[in-house]
Amino acid sequence: DARVTQTPRHKVTEMGQEVTMRCQPILGHNTVFWYRQTMMQGLELLAYFRNRAPLDDSGMPKDRFSAEMPDATLATLKIQPSEPRDSAVYFCASGLGGTGSSRYGYTFGSGTRLTVV
Amino acid sequence: QKEVEQDPGPLSVPEGAIVSLNCTYSNSAFQYFMWYRQYSRKGPELLMYTYSSGNKEDGRFTAQVDKSSKYISLFIRDSQPSDSATYLCAMSFAGGQNFVFGPGTRLSVLP
Repeated sequence: DARVTQTPRHKVTEMGQEVTMRCQPILGHNTVFWYRQTMMQGLELLAYFRNRAPLDDSGMPKDRFSAEMPDATLATLKIQPSEPRDSAVYFCASGLGGTGSSRYGYTFGSGTRLTVV
Repeated sequence: QKEVEQDPGPLSVPEGAIVSLNCTYSNSAFQYFMWYRQYSRKGPELLMYTYSSGNKEDGRFTAQVDKSSKYISLFIRDSQPSDSATYLCAMSFAGGQNFVFGPGTRLSVLP
């Protein structure tokens, strides 16, 4: 089965450190999302890309978060500097996007569990 | 008020029971409705997708949409312990590019 691969699976870091999370979307998928999941807020959209171009990053704290797609096989989410409130599970999802195609849903990775101490 | 509301549970039922999971939403512009299942320490996986009001069945799962009441449901028949997971509803606008998720309902099916 095709899958979305996220690395690392777990990350513990000290406050103030830079954190980089990586995502390999499913080959051929043109839309990539970054979500954050916490007990309090549930799943929150941080940013998403279509054909590697950022379409919406309004859910992301711009002063410390950045998301990029250097190529079609890699999406990255960086936090610099990290803070304890960033502790969460970060999910990447990919799919075939386009007008009317959100019906097909998207495939999620297993997530990166981030703990900032 | 959040855009999408969902009873967080936890909901515990005996094996074989019929389970009803529900979401309400406030924005009548939502057109596509989905149910995701999320096992512990895993990413959400798509279970069901529906577009119009009415029912859609897939094996033991039935998704129901009532746009006039802004209410969607997922029914699980003959529930199994393997159905124990968190169920998230999600919805998007016509031509929309991303989903709004409900907070999820945690379900436990007891053997």
